[in-house]
Amino acid sequence: DVVMTQSPLSLPVTLGQPASISCRSSQSLVYSDGDTYLNWFQQRPGQSPRRLIHKVSNRDSGVPDRFSGSGSGTDFTLKISRVEAEDVGVYYCMQSTHWPKTFGQGTKVEIK
Amino acid sequence: EVQLVESGGGLVQPGRSLRLSCAASGFSFGDYAMSWFRQAPGKGLEWVGFIKSEAYGGTAHHSASLKDRFSISRDDSKSSVYLQMNSLKTEDTAVYYCVRDENFLSGNDYDYWGQGTLVTVSS
Repeated sequence: DVVMTQSPLSLPVTLGQPASISCRSSQSLVYSDGDTYLNWFQQRPGQSPRRLIHKVSNRDSGVPDRFSGSGSGTDFTLKISRVEAEDVGVYYCMQSTHWPKTFGQGTKVEIK
Repeated sequence: EVQLVESGGGLVQPGRSLRLSCAASGFSFGDYAMSWFRQAPGKGLEWVGFIKSEAYGGTAHHSASLKDRFSISRDDSKSSVYLQMNSLKTEDTAVYYCVRDENFLSGNDYDYWGQGTLVTVSS
């Protein structure tokens, strides 16, 4: 199975400051069609996960533009340009390229 | 509006069976694959399994660690997907999510999630 490793696992951030989460995969996530199927999800307290980013850098509808995804191959990053109170929660990366689909451990974002 | 509503969760004794249902609305159900995920209390997300739409054969894939006990099915005429769980263990205690998926990988997977249904396995 592809192992997804996130860091940090806990991220205290000051409101208005940037935040960055790293996600590394144990093997390349480039699929046979040339695309890379790496998603980012946000899970606010008490809620279901919500997809923020698909295929590395494509923001989902309704997702604020302060969220951005980047990376390639085995190394990916989710950035929040200016953290707001509503961004508190756990963020997961997930790869869809290989079976079985696997997630990172999650990064808990909290306000300092 | 896309809606996925899970039902069937609850308290069940170890070794017993349970069937979860997910009713979908707001989209053409037969055009989409569906997946189940789960999340143990205070833990991360785990993929349980996936089923293609009937038009693509309705084939299912399950997590290797669960495939001997868990089985996904669907009824496109009812816009519903099911998760049959047998020989339940205490470690199966989790919130189970129904999620919209795609029949062929294109990046449109996991865009809608249900609210989840809690399964508690305990004597």
